[in-house]
Amino acid sequence: KNEVEQSPQNLTAQEGEFITINCSYSVGISALHWLQQHPGGGIVSLFMLSSGKKKHGRLIATINIQEKHSSLHITASHPRDSAVYICAVRGYSNYQLIWGAGTKLIIKP
Amino acid sequence: DSGVTQTPKHLITATGQRVTLRCSPRSGDLSVYWYQQSLDQGLQFLIQYYNGEERAKGNILERFSAQQFPDLHSELNLSSLELGDSALYFCASSVGVGHGNTEAFFGQGTRLTVV
Repeated sequence: KNEVEQSPQNLTAQEGEFITINCSYSVGISALHWLQQHPGGGIVSLFMLSSGKKKHGRLIATINIQEKHSSLHITASHPRDSAVYICAVRGYSNYQLIWGAGTKLIIKP
Repeated sequence: DSGVTQTPKHLITATGQRVTLRCSPRSGDLSVYWYQQSLDQGLQFLIQYYNGEERAKGNILERFSAQQFPDLHSELNLSSLELGDSALYFCASSVGVGHGNTEAFFGQGTRLTVV
């Protein structure tokens, strides 16, 4: 079993829908990252969080440390949100990130 | 723009050849990380350098090597290339030795195609 699991693997939705992508992890962590990878390949950091909730525009990230779970929400989704969304965590015992496999999101007009 | 610069953006080469990928970190960042992403796969950590010294090693093949120079730019050398080495190679940088407690900054990647 992977230490970081994302669900769903693939998600197709209509423009305007509320999107939720989930990330569960099995290790103790000091930080969790959400990143976005566009079809062209570039990777952009969206959020880094260790507790609570963060919001940036239409994106909201939450984390529940006790349940070892994080969610990324997109409100009023748009075709330009189509990308792969990746969750990565940093454990206590190492400096490196443990990566989820990514969720491929397609928003149809 | 993340501030991390990778060159070249695209590279096509033949099996058995050797290539060098270059990464310039964000100004002030001392750590450089290299990742490989094969088609439809997640990111695989290869190696990290901090202030010129190797800090951590991941799933890096013996045919691959890297170094970080005094000006903090880094090069990833891939030799005896095989078809399976075709992938996107990403470089990331961070200010400290750890890669996780600060925001991650990634380059645009180098797409390597081995034919």
